[in-house]
Amino acid sequence: EAGVTQFPSHSVIEKGQTVTLRCDPISGHDNLYWYRRVMGKEIKFLLHFVKESKQDESGMPNNRFLAERTGGTYSTLKVQPAELEDSGVYFCASSLFRGGTDTQYFGPGTRLTVL
Amino acid sequence: DAKTTQPPSMDCAEGRAANLPCNHSTISGNEYVYWYRQIHSQGPQYIIHGLKNNETNEMASLIITEDRKSSTLILPHATLRDTAVYYCIVRVAGLPSGSARQLTFGSGTQLTVLP
Repeated sequence: EAGVTQFPSHSVIEKGQTVTLRCDPISGHDNLYWYRRVMGKEIKFLLHFVKESKQDESGMPNNRFLAERTGGTYSTLKVQPAELEDSGVYFCASSLFRGGTDTQYFGPGTRLTVL
Repeated sequence: DAKTTQPPSMDCAEGRAANLPCNHSTISGNEYVYWYRQIHSQGPQYIIHGLKNNETNEMASLIITEDRKSSTLILPHATLRDTAVYYCIVRVAGLPSGSARQLTFGSGTQLTVLP
């Protein structure tokens, strides 16, 4: 079974540009999460999809970040316009809620550098 | 979700058991204990989770005290590849609506396995 995949693995852009990150969850997983880790800080939650619906987007830092999950399959996270403080590693995780809980499986992450 | 406390760092000799403690004195009856690890900048890797009983899988064992206020992750025969940051996360079981929810990462324990 394929794991969670993310694309690209690295992205270097200039301040003010737009970047779109993609996450492909494990097949059949309804839940999809985005997290990020900025330099020196802890991994922080961004948002959570259940199928194509946003269940919780309380962790999104501001309206420069837009996440979508078309058809309840893959998800994209767009940053527009990117700022220096957006640099970090963005992780995606997916899970299947079953038996009262779920186990999240993470992708390898996308390292974003904003210059 | 209840707060957890972990030592910032630990060393372990290769081939020996690594015992990583976690304190979660405010844990509620419906909260699970999850363990993840992050090797370098890779995506967090799920290890194990439990509610009340001790658990074992191919990676590790989880020992939860009877009062559930603390737990220990045991890697029975640590290898150099087990060097990573280990996160103990307490997470409530499904919300009243029965939905999944995000993980809250702390700073974890840096485990270094020494040759």
